[in-house]
Amino acid sequence: GAVVSQHPSWVICKSGTSVKIECRSLDFQATTMFWYRQFPKQSLMLMATSNEGSKATYEQGVEKDKFLINHASLTLSTLTVTSAHPEDSSFYICSAAQGFLGADTQYFGPGTRLTVL
Amino acid sequence: AQRVTQPEKLLSVFKGAPVELKCNYSYSGSPELFWYVQYSRQRLQLLLRHISRESIKGFTADLNKGETSFHLKKPFAQEEDSAMYYCAPHPNSGGSNYKLTFGKGTLLTVNP
Repeated sequence: GAVVSQHPSWVICKSGTSVKIECRSLDFQATTMFWYRQFPKQSLMLMATSNEGSKATYEQGVEKDKFLINHASLTLSTLTVTSAHPEDSSFYICSAAQGFLGADTQYFGPGTRLTVL
Repeated sequence: AQRVTQPEKLLSVFKGAPVELKCNYSYSGSPELFWYVQYSRQRLQLLLRHISRESIKGFTADLNKGETSFHLKKPFAQEEDSAMYYCAPHPNSGGSNYKLTFGKGTLLTVNP
């Protein structure tokens, strides 16, 4: 149980285009989903937290207009990288938690490798 | 500010040797603490959380509030334990999202 999927697993796009990444909790309802970014050989950096039905909370330094997050249902959150540039190339990982405000264990997706040319 | 320190970036031991991965935290309140593991080419997964006091895959971790540490230990390391290990606390009270703060991670290599 507690499986989280991400789609796509990898994506290559041209500079200036937008890319949408989906995060789904397959067998549980996720009140809260988290979006992370991971650079090569580095730790996970939290980008934002999304609670179902409300606006996402972004970490300091993360541009809200660049990284649009939508958490429309208890099993789906999406991250849209708008007007992507090469510096946005990274590994994006989502996690989902059942508890209120994310209390409880976070279950992680496999990640999405974004390459912006 | 919340801070997690994993002082060893790399740790290499031989199979059968004891292993200890260090984690120190600086956190307001009494956080709940987790260890996550990422095996090669796999997703991040929970190894253990201090509140459950379980031993998973032979690993244990003791919370030392005085030293603000949550070191991960295993008496006899196995080759399949080779992985990246992350220490991560999160707040233990409501009012804000229970977001994890990840340490930089320790890459454990267990040699045959």
